[in-house]
Amino acid sequence: QQQVKQSPQSLIVQKGGISIINCAYENTAFDYFPWYQQFPGKGPALLIAIRPDVSEKKEGRFTISFNKSAKQFSLHIMDSQPGDSATYFCAASLYSGAGSYQLTFGKGTKLSVIP
Amino acid sequence: GAVVSQHPSWVICKSGTSVKIECRSLDFQATTMFWYRQFPKQSLMLMATSNEGSKATYEQGVEKDKFLINHASLTLSTLTVTSAHPEDSSFYICSARAPGGGRNNEQFFGPGTRLTVL
Repeated sequence: QQQVKQSPQSLIVQKGGISIINCAYENTAFDYFPWYQQFPGKGPALLIAIRPDVSEKKEGRFTISFNKSAKQFSLHIMDSQPGDSATYFCAASLYSGAGSYQLTFGKGTKLSVIP
Repeated sequence: GAVVSQHPSWVICKSGTSVKIECRSLDFQATTMFWYRQFPKQSLMLMATSNEGSKATYEQGVEKDKFLINHASLTLSTLTVTSAHPEDSSFYICSARAPGGGRNNEQFFGPGTRLTVL
């Protein structure tokens, strides 16, 4: 059972445009929602994260919008650049007991920003 | 930010041999490290959670006798793929939980290790 659903699978955006990636979750016990950026052959890097008590968080060109009632959150990349071309993963964190937390990842979105 | 390294970055081995992958937190102590597996164009799948000084907790479907995890110190965890076969070929990624993360499960990821079993 996939607990975090991510869409779209792939996205093509023109340079300067806005890239939007959406995620939905089912488990209301999730309490931390990070986004990761991954380039080919590299490990994921934390981009931005949000907690469910906040509806929006902005860091530079990256914004997370969070809708707790709808159990959805999205990543917006403003003024998208070719260097943003990568695979983006949303994730959700769940306390798994004994002081341990686990991340559940979405399936990823391959973003291509074309000049 | 915190840095996590992996060694080797890639390895090619013959079927039946064992391969050890190291994961190190370079500038912080990590009481918890995680091991993930990623197939091409797919998401990260958690294999196991490794706590320093105790046995790893494996996810359902992951063979603990095949994927041996040792977390001997606060900065080092190792994954040994025993008797590797071609189906074990994958991208293995470790992560370490940030110190003082509190309720945030901020994890810093290593660069990954590409394993190819011939």
